[in-house]
Amino acid sequence: SAVISQKPSRDICQRGTSLTIQCQVDSQVTMMFWYRQQPGQSLTLIATANQGSEATYESGFVIDKFPISRPNLTFSTLTVSNQSPEDSSIYLCSGSPLGGYTFGSGTRLTVV
Amino acid sequence: GDSVTQMEGPVTLSEEACLTINCTYTATGYPSLFWYVQYPGEGLQLLLKATKADDKGSNKGFEATYRKETTSFHLEKGSVQVSDSAVYFCALMNQAGTALIFGKGTTLSVSS
Repeated sequence: SAVISQKPSRDICQRGTSLTIQCQVDSQVTMMFWYRQQPGQSLTLIATANQGSEATYESGFVIDKFPISRPNLTFSTLTVSNQSPEDSSIYLCSGSPLGGYTFGSGTRLTVV
Repeated sequence: GDSVTQMEGPVTLSEEACLTINCTYTATGYPSLFWYVQYPGEGLQLLLKATKADDKGSNKGFEATYRKETTSFHLEKGSVQVSDSAVYFCALMNQAGTALIFGKGTTLSVSS
């Protein structure tokens, strides 16, 4: 199965700043997904990123807050904009090669 | 809409005890089903999966059988080890092949 490298693995950010998270896949994948895992909670889908088109956002998530890029079939970025303490979470990307979904190791974000 | 329900945790067991984590789902049609594991401080790893009714997924001594009559995919292991201590997530993928839908996760703690 595919391997996904995600960075940074963790960061501590000041309120009002932005953080961009990168995901690199070692093979081409059709769809990439971004999830948020708030402390002690399950994973919530933020958006689906397809190459060559705008990302599709789930209810409760908007492009201005979480802009996503997908320039090719192996790479995607998620930006957490104008951060607040409520954005403190683990952010994970995943890709959909045949046979299942592989996840990156996650970015643990703390906003102070 | 589609959803996954997992038994509430935490589950606390002694080494070599039997484990069952219940998972039931609601979905249109026959989705693919997954169990993921998240070890402390790490990202999600696919543990096992099943893509059609009566399929049994297995890995590392864990098993789960896709039961369409009860819409269940319970995770079982005959003898747990301390190293199995982690959070376990049940998930489904709908027929549209879009992102995974996760249960809330069950924390397993195994003591020696």
